[in-house]
Amino acid sequence: EAQVTQNPRYLITVTGKKLTVTCSQNMNHEYMSWYRQDPGLGLRQIYYSMNVEVTDKGDVPEGYKVSRKEKRNFPLILESPSPNQTSLYFCASSRGTDNSPLHFGNGTRLTVT
Amino acid sequence: AQKVTQAQTEISVVEKEDVTLDCVYETRDTTYYLFWYKQPPSGELVFLIRRNSFDEQNEISGRYSWNFQKSTSSFNFTITASQVVDSAVYFCALRNAGGTSYGKLTFGQGTILTVHP
Repeated sequence: EAQVTQNPRYLITVTGKKLTVTCSQNMNHEYMSWYRQDPGLGLRQIYYSMNVEVTDKGDVPEGYKVSRKEKRNFPLILESPSPNQTSLYFCASSRGTDNSPLHFGNGTRLTVT
Repeated sequence: AQKVTQAQTEISVVEKEDVTLDCVYETRDTTYYLFWYKQPPSGELVFLIRRNSFDEQNEISGRYSWNFQKSTSSFNFTITASQVVDSAVYFCALRNAGGTSYGKLTFGQGTILTVHP
């Protein structure tokens, strides 16, 4: 089944403790990206990648890192999480940067205390 | 810079009413792509429709229709005879085909639609 898998679904952590949210897609998609969803702000893009070893900042990249060593994986790293990074995170992929729609993972609810 | 505005934060209707969700976008690129996504209460994000900037044809799919007007930079979504199952958050999104924002996909703030029985 074609899908985007992100883990974990829920994560509670403390300020400053490094964490990684994994994202994997099995559709051989070129494009992958991370979004955070906050009430009233919609979905805001954190980082995106148009191919292996190519990553670019989205609208809210501060405090986050990503890597794209393999086509299928695009992990999101929070080196030193802070409470303002408490949010719902979505990973997504698409065939390319054209009109191909995004396929989304099921989301990761992160709470930083 | 690109921007998508969904001015309606929340809309509440009674079943069988028609409802239109507005989406206005800004971009400097001449080629771009527009999308609508639905997020039901279960939380997943579901693709509804896409439109290329060079294709201004409106589209109808069952009770759903989309009106793309380049002259007003709008891509509005209408649900005819709304049903309770249409209750969801709806997002409009814009992707540029080139320029400095190449690859970025920008979403609007979302419109929460509640359909009452």
